[in-house]
Amino acid sequence: DGGITQSPKYLFRKEGQNVTLSCEQNLNHDAMYWYRQDPGQGLRLIYYSQIVNDFQKGDIAEGYSVSREKKESFPLTVTSAQKNPTAFYLCASSKAPPGTTMNTEAFFGQGTRLTVV
Amino acid sequence: QQPVQSPQAVILREGEDAVINCSSSKALYSVHWYRQKHGEAPVFLMILLKGGEQKGHEKISASFNEKKQQSSLYLTASQLSYSGTYFCGVISNDYKLSFGAGTTVTVRA
Repeated sequence: DGGITQSPKYLFRKEGQNVTLSCEQNLNHDAMYWYRQDPGQGLRLIYYSQIVNDFQKGDIAEGYSVSREKKESFPLTVTSAQKNPTAFYLCASSKAPPGTTMNTEAFFGQGTRLTVV
Repeated sequence: QQPVQSPQAVILREGEDAVINCSSSKALYSVHWYRQKHGEAPVFLMILLKGGEQKGHEKISASFNEKKQQSSLYLTASQLSYSGTYFCGVISNDYKLSFGAGTTVTVRA
Protein backbone atom coordinates (compact mmCIF):
# COMPACT_ATOMS: atom_id res chain seq x y z
CA ASP A 1 0.00 0.00 0.00
CA GLY A 2 1.22 3.49 -0.81
CA GLY A 3 1.69 5.93 2.00
CA ILE A 4 3.94 8.11 4.07
CA THR A 5 5.74 6.65 7.07
CA GLN A 6 7.31 8.45 9.97
CA SER A 7 9.52 6.81 12.54
CA PRO A 8 9.83 6.48 15.40
CA LYS A 9 6.41 7.29 16.84
CA TYR A 10 7.89 8.42 20.16
CA LEU A 11 11.39 9.75 20.69
CA PHE A 12 13.19 10.88 23.80
CA ARG A 13 16.29 13.03 23.64
CA LYS A 14 18.65 14.40 26.20
CA GLU A 15 19.36 18.10 26.14
CA GLY A 16 22.31 18.95 23.90
CA GLN A 17 21.86 15.97 21.60
CA ASN A 18 20.96 16.00 17.94
CA VAL A 19 18.23 13.64 16.81
CA THR A 20 16.96 12.66 13.35
CA LEU A 21 13.33 11.98 12.50
CA SER A 22 12.63 9.76 9.54
CA CYS A 23 10.05 10.37 6.81
CA GLU A 24 9.62 8.01 3.87
CA GLN A 25 6.95 8.00 1.15
CA ASN A 26 6.27 5.52 -1.64
CA LEU A 27 3.68 7.67 -3.41
CA ASN A 28 6.16 9.01 -5.98
CA HIS A 29 5.43 12.51 -4.70
CA ASP A 30 7.71 15.39 -5.61
CA ALA A 31 7.00 17.74 -2.72
CA MET A 32 7.66 16.95 0.93
CA TYR A 33 7.11 19.06 4.06
CA TRP A 34 7.96 19.08 7.76
CA TYR A 35 5.65 20.69 10.31
CA ARG A 36 5.83 21.20 14.01
CA GLN A 37 2.61 21.08 16.02
CA ASP A 38 2.26 22.69 19.46
CA PRO A 39 -1.02 23.17 21.32
CA GLY A 40 -2.84 26.28 20.12
CA GLN A 41 -0.32 27.06 17.37
CA GLY A 42 -1.49 24.82 14.61
CA LEU A 43 0.94 23.41 12.07
CA ARG A 44 4.05 25.51 11.60
CA LEU A 45 6.22 24.86 8.57
CA ILE A 46 9.86 23.98 9.28
CA TYR A 47 11.25 23.03 5.86
CA TYR A 48 9.89 21.99 2.51
CA SER A 49 11.30 20.45 -0.62
CA GLN A 50 9.89 20.40 -4.12
CA ILE A 51 12.62 18.35 -5.75
CA VAL A 52 15.56 16.12 -4.90
CA ASN A 53 18.65 17.96 -3.67
CA ASP A 54 16.72 21.16 -3.10
CA PHE A 55 14.83 22.47 -0.07
CA GLN A 56 13.69 25.77 1.40
CA LYS A 57 13.26 27.12 4.89
CA GLY A 58 9.78 27.46 6.26
CA ASP A 59 8.61 29.76 9.01
CA ILE A 60 10.53 28.19 11.92
CA ALA A 61 13.68 26.64 10.43
CA GLU A 62 16.13 27.75 13.14
CA GLY A 63 17.60 24.80 14.99
CA TYR A 64 16.55 22.28 12.33
CA SER A 65 18.21 20.80 9.26
CA VAL A 66 17.01 18.55 6.44
CA SER A 67 18.30 16.69 3.41
CA ARG A 68 16.63 15.42 0.27
CA GLU A 69 19.03 12.98 -1.34
CA LYS A 70 16.27 10.67 -2.55
CA LYS A 71 12.79 11.45 -3.82
CA GLU A 72 11.17 9.17 -1.25
CA SER A 73 13.05 10.36 1.82
CA PHE A 74 13.12 13.67 3.70
CA PRO A 75 14.75 13.27 7.14
CA LEU A 76 14.62 16.07 9.70
CA THR A 77 17.42 16.65 12.21
CA VAL A 78 16.58 18.50 15.39
CA THR A 79 19.84 20.03 16.52
CA SER A 80 20.99 21.13 19.95
CA ALA A 81 20.47 24.73 18.75
CA GLN A 82 16.68 24.25 18.86
CA LYS A 83 15.74 25.83 22.19
CA ASN A 84 12.43 24.10 22.75
CA PRO A 85 12.30 20.93 20.68
CA THR A 86 9.60 19.07 22.60
CA ALA A 87 6.69 18.87 20.15
CA PHE A 88 4.73 16.72 17.74
CA TYR A 89 6.35 16.59 14.29
CA LEU A 90 4.42 15.84 11.12
CA CYS A 91 5.77 15.04 7.69
CA ALA A 92 3.66 15.47 4.56
CA SER A 93 4.01 14.93 0.84
CA SER A 94 2.14 15.94 -2.28
CA LYS A 95 2.31 15.26 -5.98
CA ALA A 96 2.96 18.86 -6.96
CA PRO A 97 5.75 19.12 -9.53
CA PRO A 98 8.41 21.76 -8.94
CA GLY A 99 7.32 25.31 -9.52
CA THR A 100 3.61 24.57 -9.41
CA THR A 101 1.05 25.88 -7.02
CA MET A 102 0.03 22.51 -5.69
CA ASN A 103 -3.55 21.81 -6.63
CA THR A 104 -3.38 18.33 -5.17
CA GLU A 105 -3.84 17.19 -1.62
CA ALA A 106 -1.08 16.66 0.91
CA PHE A 107 -0.80 13.30 2.66
CA PHE A 108 0.44 13.28 6.24
CA GLY A 109 2.38 10.71 8.19
CA GLN A 110 1.26 9.64 11.67
CA GLY A 111 3.79 11.90 13.34
CA THR A 112 6.67 11.64 15.78
CA ARG A 113 6.32 12.92 19.31
CA LEU A 114 9.68 14.21 20.50
CA THR A 115 10.34 14.78 24.17
CA VAL A 116 13.49 16.31 25.60
CA VAL A 117 14.40 14.87 28.97
CA GLN B 1 3.32 33.74 7.39
CA GLN B 2 0.46 31.69 8.79
CA PRO B 3 -3.10 32.40 7.70
CA VAL B 4 -5.51 33.54 10.41
CA GLN B 5 -8.42 31.29 11.35
CA SER B 6 -11.53 32.19 13.31
CA PRO B 7 -13.10 31.26 15.58
CA GLN B 8 -10.56 29.38 17.70
CA ALA B 9 -13.22 27.00 18.95
CA VAL B 10 -16.89 26.26 18.43
CA ILE B 11 -19.33 23.97 20.24
CA LEU B 12 -22.35 22.64 18.35
CA ARG B 13 -25.26 20.35 18.94
CA GLU B 14 -25.93 17.71 16.34
CA GLY B 15 -27.74 19.21 13.37
CA GLU B 16 -26.48 22.74 13.87
CA ASP B 17 -24.42 24.68 11.34
CA ALA B 18 -21.09 26.46 11.71
CA VAL B 19 -18.72 28.56 9.63
CA ILE B 20 -14.93 28.64 9.96
CA ASN B 21 -13.04 31.50 8.35
CA CYS B 22 -9.50 31.68 7.03
CA SER B 23 -7.74 34.80 5.81
CA SER B 24 -4.30 35.58 4.48
CA SER B 25 -2.27 38.74 3.98
CA LYS B 26 -0.78 37.32 0.77
CA ALA B 27 -2.26 36.65 -2.64
CA LEU B 28 -3.28 33.02 -2.77
CA TYR B 29 -3.19 30.37 -5.46
CA SER B 30 -5.13 27.78 -3.54
CA VAL B 31 -6.66 26.99 -0.17
CA HIS B 32 -6.69 23.55 1.45
CA TRP B 33 -8.87 22.34 4.31
CA TYR B 34 -7.96 19.45 6.62
CA ARG B 35 -9.48 17.91 9.73
CA GLN B 36 -7.45 16.35 12.53
CA LYS B 37 -8.82 14.05 15.20
CA HIS B 38 -7.00 13.90 18.52
CA GLY B 39 -3.75 11.95 18.25
CA GLU B 40 -4.14 11.36 14.51
CA ALA B 41 -2.71 12.83 11.34
CA PRO B 42 -4.64 15.58 9.52
CA VAL B 43 -6.96 14.28 6.83
CA PHE B 44 -7.65 16.11 3.59
CA LEU B 45 -11.14 17.54 3.05
CA MET B 46 -10.93 19.72 -0.04
CA ILE B 47 -8.96 22.15 -2.18
CA LEU B 48 -10.19 25.45 -3.57
CA LEU B 49 -8.46 27.02 -6.51
CA LYS B 50 -8.27 30.52 -7.95
CA GLY B 51 -11.44 31.40 -9.84
CA GLY B 52 -13.80 31.10 -6.90
CA GLU B 53 -14.37 27.40 -7.41
CA GLN B 54 -16.40 25.89 -4.61
CA LYS B 55 -15.91 22.32 -3.55
CA GLY B 56 -17.90 20.06 -1.31
CA HIS B 57 -17.40 17.01 0.86
CA GLU B 58 -20.63 15.40 2.11
CA LYS B 59 -22.28 18.18 4.12
CA ILE B 60 -19.06 20.15 4.41
CA SER B 61 -18.49 22.77 1.76
CA ALA B 62 -16.19 25.72 1.30
CA SER B 63 -15.72 28.90 -0.67
CA PHE B 64 -12.70 30.92 -1.74
CA ASN B 65 -12.71 34.63 -2.38
CA GLU B 66 -9.34 35.23 -4.01
CA LYS B 67 -9.76 39.01 -4.13
CA LYS B 68 -10.23 39.17 -0.39
CA GLN B 69 -7.73 36.36 0.16
CA GLN B 70 -10.28 34.58 2.30
CA SER B 71 -11.87 31.16 2.52
CA SER B 72 -14.75 29.85 4.58
CA LEU B 73 -15.63 26.29 5.54
CA TYR B 74 -19.31 25.50 6.09
CA LEU B 75 -20.36 22.66 8.38
CA THR B 76 -24.01 21.94 7.62
CA ALA B 77 -26.27 19.79 9.79
CA SER B 78 -23.28 18.78 11.90
CA GLN B 79 -22.76 15.18 12.95
CA LEU B 80 -20.79 13.78 15.90
CA SER B 81 -18.12 12.66 13.43
CA TYR B 82 -17.44 16.29 12.51
CA SER B 83 -15.67 16.88 15.82
CA GLY B 84 -11.99 17.64 15.49
CA THR B 85 -9.64 20.46 14.69
CA TYR B 86 -9.97 22.06 11.28
CA PHE B 87 -6.99 23.63 9.57
CA CYS B 88 -6.84 25.81 6.53
CA GLY B 89 -3.68 25.66 4.46
CA VAL B 90 -2.73 28.25 1.87
CA ILE B 91 -0.41 28.30 -1.12
CA SER B 92 0.95 31.57 -2.45
CA ASN B 93 3.70 32.42 -4.91
CA ASP B 94 6.42 30.85 -2.75
CA TYR B 95 4.80 27.42 -3.21
CA LYS B 96 4.90 26.55 0.48
CA LEU B 97 1.85 25.12 2.21
CA SER B 98 1.28 27.19 5.37
CA PHE B 99 -1.43 26.34 7.89
CA GLY B 100 -3.45 28.37 10.34
CA ALA B 101 -3.65 27.73 14.08
CA GLY B 102 -6.76 25.62 13.70
CA THR B 103 -10.38 25.72 14.86
CA THR B 104 -11.51 23.12 17.36
CA VAL B 105 -15.05 21.89 16.67
CA THR B 106 -16.96 19.94 19.29
CA VAL B 107 -20.28 18.42 18.28
CA ARG B 108 -22.48 17.20 21.12
CA ALA B 109 -25.48 14.90 20.98
